[in-house]
Amino acid sequence: DTAVSQTPKYLVTQMGNDKSIKCEQNLGHDTMYWYKQDSKKFLKIMFSYNNKELIINETVPNRFSPKSPDKAHLNLHINSLELGDSAVYFCASSQDDRFRYFGPGTRLTVT
Amino acid sequence: EDKVVQSPLSLVVHEGDTVTLNCSYEVTNFRSLLWYKQEKKAPTFLFMLTSSGIEKKSGRLSSILDKKELFSILNITATQTGDSAIYLCALANAGGTSYGKLTFGQGTILTVHP
Repeated sequence: DTAVSQTPKYLVTQMGNDKSIKCEQNLGHDTMYWYKQDSKKFLKIMFSYNNKELIINETVPNRFSPKSPDKAHLNLHINSLELGDSAVYFCASSQDDRFRYFGPGTRLTVT
Repeated sequence: EDKVVQSPLSLVVHEGDTVTLNCSYEVTNFRSLLWYKQEKKAPTFLFMLTSSGIEKKSGRLSSILDKKELFSILNITATQTGDSAIYLCALANAGGTSYGKLTFGQGTILTVHP
């Protein structure tokens, strides 16, 4: 069984479009995260939610909006996509705030 | 701001070689240091280090932390092609608004040739 799953795995879209990435975890963890990994392989935290409540909100443009309908899901909606948004987006979950169980990633390409 | 610097950025070796990957850090409230291995997809957890001088070992991989000199190393002995991956070091901060946030280094890309 997949512990942390994301859809879609690949997303190619044009500048200006709005897109969503979904994430689900079946580990029963309380905390979920979104990370962005750029072309230089830096993994940077974007958001974290604990029991549907926003805990960490790094300096991310307002065009990015996370939504947590329940503690097993954390979706990421991106408005008005820009070229610089191209990256791999990883969802993760944890019970201990130091460990992360990562999803397989969503490779977003904005053309 | 917490900082994690890994070196080298990339490393190419042959099977059977031993490699040492470095991770140095700056942090205001250290909680723990973690190592992850990232192959084609998601990073997977390797080690968590909290105390200085205590080696963590898993098969051919081992890691140790030096909290005085603010660095950690990850050793891989008798490397195999399956060890080819990006190795990520991450820092967990104990305090304030950084609590619960992992700061990742830029990773070391290890390539093991047959």
